[in-house]
Amino acid sequence: AQSVSQHNHHVILSEAASLELGCNYSYGGTVNLFWYVQYPGQHLQLLLKYFSGDPLVKGIKGFEAEFIKSKFSFNLRKPSVQWSDTAEYFCAVSLGNTGGFKTIFGAGTRLFVKA
Amino acid sequence: GAVVSQHPSWVICKSGTSVKIECRSLDFQATTMFWYRQFPKQSLMLMATSNEGSKATYEQGVEKDKFLINHASLTLSTLTVTSAHPEDSSFYICSASGEAEAFFGQGTRLTVV
Repeated sequence: AQSVSQHNHHVILSEAASLELGCNYSYGGTVNLFWYVQYPGQHLQLLLKYFSGDPLVKGIKGFEAEFIKSKFSFNLRKPSVQWSDTAEYFCAVSLGNTGGFKTIFGAGTRLFVKA
Repeated sequence: GAVVSQHPSWVICKSGTSVKIECRSLDFQATTMFWYRQFPKQSLMLMATSNEGSKATYEQGVEKDKFLINHASLTLSTLTVTSAHPEDSSFYICSASGEAEAFFGQGTRLTVV
C-alpha cells in the first residue's frame, strides 16, 4: 500500500535557525510530490510541488524541497525560519493520473518557532 | 491554479440529523473528486473517491451508509453525513482532479452537538 512517512512529529526551533523536515514515500509508480502548510485554525495552503524536471523545487515563503528519487524522499528546507512559520507541515504524494491524482498525506510535522 | 469551493465552511447540527457538504470545481471539470477527513491535531485521511456518474469507492473502515457521496456532474460532488453524532465532528475537505493535479477546497468544519 502507498504511504507517506514524515520523520518528525514535533520540531522546535529558534528564529533564524535552519529547518529540514524529512519525508519519504513508498510507491513504485509515477508520483507528484507536495508540501502543504496549515496555520493554526486555517485550511491547507500549498507551499510547493514537484512534478518533473529540476529535483530542487522552490516554493513560497522561502521554502524549498529536494526530490531524491533513489531515496524516495522529498525533504523540505528553509535556511532561516521565522516565528510566523509556526504551523503544521504536511508532505503529500499524489499518485499518477491513472489514480485520478489521489493524494496521500503524511502524519504531519508540527513546527514551533521560538521568537 | 484552479479553484475548488466547499460549502458550507462550517456547520453546527444536532445529533441525529443529516448534513450535506458540497464540493464544486469552479473553473474546470473534474471526473474524479476525493473526500478527506481531518481530526484535531491529525493528518488528512482519505475517506472516499468519487467518480462522476458512478458509485464512490470508500476506503477501508469508512461506512458508506453513513457518508453518502454523490457525484452527479463534472463540477459537483456532495458528501452527506447521515444521522450525525458528536464523534462525526471533524474537518471535511474535498479535492477535485484537474488535468495534472488535484486541487483542494477550503474545508468544512462540522460540529455535532
